[in-house]
Amino acid sequence: DIQMTQSPSSLSASVGDTVTITCRARQTIGSFLNWFQQKPREAPKLLIYAGSTLQSGVPSRFSGSGSGTDFTLTITGLQPEDFATYYCQQSYTAPLDFGQGTRLEIK
Amino acid sequence: QVTLKESGPVLVKPTETLTLTCTVSGFSLSNDKMGVSWIRQPPGMAPEWLAHIVSDDEKSYNTSLKSRLTISQDTSKSQVVLTMTNMDPVDTATYFCARIHKYTITTFNGMDVWGQGTTVTVSS
Repeated sequence: DIQMTQSPSSLSASVGDTVTITCRARQTIGSFLNWFQQKPREAPKLLIYAGSTLQSGVPSRFSGSGSGTDFTLTITGLQPEDFATYYCQQSYTAPLDFGQGTRLEIK
Repeated sequence: QVTLKESGPVLVKPTETLTLTCTVSGFSLSNDKMGVSWIRQPPGMAPEWLAHIVSDDEKSYNTSLKSRLTISQDTSKSQVVLTMTNMDPVDTATYFCARIHKYTITTFNGMDVWGQGTTVTVSS
């Protein structure tokens, strides 16, 4: 299995800040890395797939980068609705493991 | 509009078998470029991918749960069914199904549409 490790596990920031979340795969996964946002009592929402491709309808303040084993999600200019938990997931090969999550809180 | 909806029991007893159904609309399960994944999420924890099916012959399972899981689909009913045997209280979670896009036989792009989830509690 390809273990996914996210950091940090939690993060405090203010509206307008820029934040970065990292995700590391235990082995190379090409660009098959997805980022999800989840709010309480909701299903995860796909933000970015293939490492850097923005899902339709997702604001451009979200961006993804990386390939191989190291990936980042950047949110530029945090908005109040961005405070949520973020997960990475590899889709290179089954099992399609998720990271353990990063909780983004308001400072 | 693409939608997925999970259905199944709210409560199951330990050792029982759980059967969950995902009913899809807006896309065809016959499309060999799309499939359906099942994911679960225990309270306060990260999602855990369980299985997926693409067409009727491409199936993959969570490594540690493989012996307990079976995924299948009924194209005529637009349904994907997941069974999990020998349920235990640690299997208490919200279970989601989601559409997944196939890139190659082993690689996929993101799960772009999710159901609302169904909460399953395992208790005697």
